[in-house]
Amino acid sequence: SQKIEQNSEALNIQEGKTATLTCNYTNYSPAYLQWYRQDPGRGPVFLLLIRENEKEKRKERLKVTFDTTLKQSLFHITASQPADSATYLCALDGTGRRALTFGSGTRLQVQP
Amino acid sequence: NAGVTQTPKFQVLKTGQSMTLQCAQDMNHNSMYWYRQDPGMGLRLIYYSASEGTTDKGEVPNGYNVSRLNKREFSLRLESAAPSQTSVYFCASSDKGQINSPLHFGNGTRLTVT
Repeated sequence: SQKIEQNSEALNIQEGKTATLTCNYTNYSPAYLQWYRQDPGRGPVFLLLIRENEKEKRKERLKVTFDTTLKQSLFHITASQPADSATYLCALDGTGRRALTFGSGTRLQVQP
Repeated sequence: NAGVTQTPKFQVLKTGQSMTLQCAQDMNHNSMYWYRQDPGMGLRLIYYSASEGTTDKGEVPNGYNVSRLNKREFSLRLESAAPSQTSVYFCASSDKGQINSPLHFGNGTRLTVT
């Protein structure tokens, strides 16, 4: 069956360090993978999109990698700040490629 | 611009009651979606509308109906609420209806069915 797996345990890091979050998938062949940020009580907010033929994408302090052989995407936040504390969701095009399928998210806590 | 607006923000229903969750977007997007979010299960797609006049089932459509009233509005109806429908419901929209288009979400409706 198809699965998108993100670490359900919260990631706690110190301010200034690099946070790395993982998204693994099985039985998918996504053409695109997206990352979203979700704050408590709010809807997810789009951050970055990476295509299957792109190895890496950057936006300010964010970097996403996409390895279709390993079936994995890594999401990095460099020089992390307490304001980066949130839940981060990965999403990819699901069966039929008509809508996005989401992972359950990883909560990031950046300690000052 | 308000983006995607959902009403109500909170709702408590008794088992068997019905209600409609409202969603409107002001970005002139073609596609609209309804997801539910439960702890540990992520966002699951209930229904979507690729364009005005069309609707399709998602992963978990049972117990729900939808109406794409016009390009702006996409409502979700629970005809006979069940405790298993206790969840946070998110509406989203995207431009062009292409799978690479980012989704824009509302802030959700928190529904409790007792």
